[in-house]
Amino acid sequence: EDQVTQSPEALRLQEGESSSLNCSYTVSGLRGLFWYRQDPGKGPEFLFTLYSAGEEKEKERLKATLTKKESFLHITAPKPEDSATYLCAVQAGTNAGKSTFGDGTTLTVKP
Amino acid sequence: SQTIHQWPATLVQPVGSPLSLECTVEGTSNPNLYWYRQAAGRGLQLLFYSVGIGQISSEVPQNLSASRPQDRQFILSSKKLLLSDSGFYLCAWSAVQEKLFFGSGTQLSVL
Repeated sequence: EDQVTQSPEALRLQEGESSSLNCSYTVSGLRGLFWYRQDPGKGPEFLFTLYSAGEEKEKERLKATLTKKESFLHITAPKPEDSATYLCAVQAGTNAGKSTFGDGTTLTVKP
Repeated sequence: SQTIHQWPATLVQPVGSPLSLECTVEGTSNPNLYWYRQAAGRGLQLLFYSVGIGQISSEVPQNLSASRPQDRQFILSSKKLLLSDSGFYLCAWSAVQEKLFFGSGTQLSVL
């Protein structure tokens, strides 16, 4: 059974204080690892897809990296508008596109 | 461009009442469609997914059902709601084994 564990559950940062969110996964034949951002009361929005160990993707202050066991979402010099819940999900190679999600990390950036 | 519509945004229903949530997708053909449920502070639990008209797979035993009467329409139903059915319901679509695009969600409270 595919499993995704995210840590920490909650993270509070000062504006400009860089940090990383962790996503550990167990999956039979990783097809893709996905990061989403979710604002309160809204549906998640796609951020990144990573397909193989060693791959990195960047978007503004966010960078996602992938190893064979985990993924990191690095946040550089965060701003208050980066406050949100960040969700990690995996797709196995044979599950017809079904995604297994972690419980998310809720990030709060204080000005 | 593709868009996904989900309604209603908020719903308060008494225990034992029926449920019908509807989701439609525009701008794409033959999408994979999904219903997820999210408990407060938790990740997304896959309830149903569909790869084509009339093709529904259930992930979790429960008193909910799903139907796909048209290519881009996905409906979540219940004949009699339980207290445990409360939660945030999200419809999503994807191309095969790709990132998910989510609707805005329905906050269901069963009282």
